[in-house]
Amino acid sequence: LAKTTQPISMDSYEGQEVNITCSHNNIATNDYITWYQQFPSQGPRFIIQGYKTKVTNEVASLFIPADRKSSTLSLPRVSLSDTAVYYCLVGASRSGAGSYQLTFGKGTKLSVIP
Amino acid sequence: DAGVTQSPTHLIKTRGQQVTLRCSPKSGHDTVSWYQQALGQGPQFIFQYYEEEERQRGNFPDRFSGHQFPNYSSELNVNALLLGDSALYLCASSLRTGRTDTQYFGPGTRLTVL
Repeated sequence: LAKTTQPISMDSYEGQEVNITCSHNNIATNDYITWYQQFPSQGPRFIIQGYKTKVTNEVASLFIPADRKSSTLSLPRVSLSDTAVYYCLVGASRSGAGSYQLTFGKGTKLSVIP
Repeated sequence: DAGVTQSPTHLIKTRGQQVTLRCSPKSGHDTVSWYQQALGQGPQFIFQYYEEEERQRGNFPDRFSGHQFPNYSSELNVNALLLGDSALYLCASSLRTGRTDTQYFGPGTRLTVL
């Protein structure tokens, strides 16, 4: 399973755009990149998933360069309610064996300041 | 569309006791995975069930066992509880035949072992 590296913590003011970068140098050809958000004492919430280039949904954007060795989660105009831990994971590819286990690191603790 | 549900929300047990946690997957999903999350850490994979069988297992002792029922719901059993078993237990569901194995998490069960 590919290992990921992300900053331990980040601070941002309300209304700013936040970019969290994740490194995954040994990502496999079939691996997807998935980001989760987790609030204290709650289960992780799926944010976005991508394979290459750019993916955008109503919550965030995910930028993946051509070499796929890193990815950046972009949260537009954050609010206090975006204060949470954000996890970057790689994998999720469909193989003949089917599902796989998710490997979480410690994530990035984002603190949004009023 | 019902999401992943877990019961109970909180549970307090004493060392040596046994506990059963329950999970109902998201509507339409057939695969259930269980994770343990200690305070300040990312979730750790315990095992995954599909077609009522354990398909993958993480680095957890045999005290941790599970079951999946024909309606895809699942139980996690932990025997001979230790203080170190105190954690948030998360259930995640996914669809085996999906394009990617995107897992959706429940709210978790907080287990405290005294």
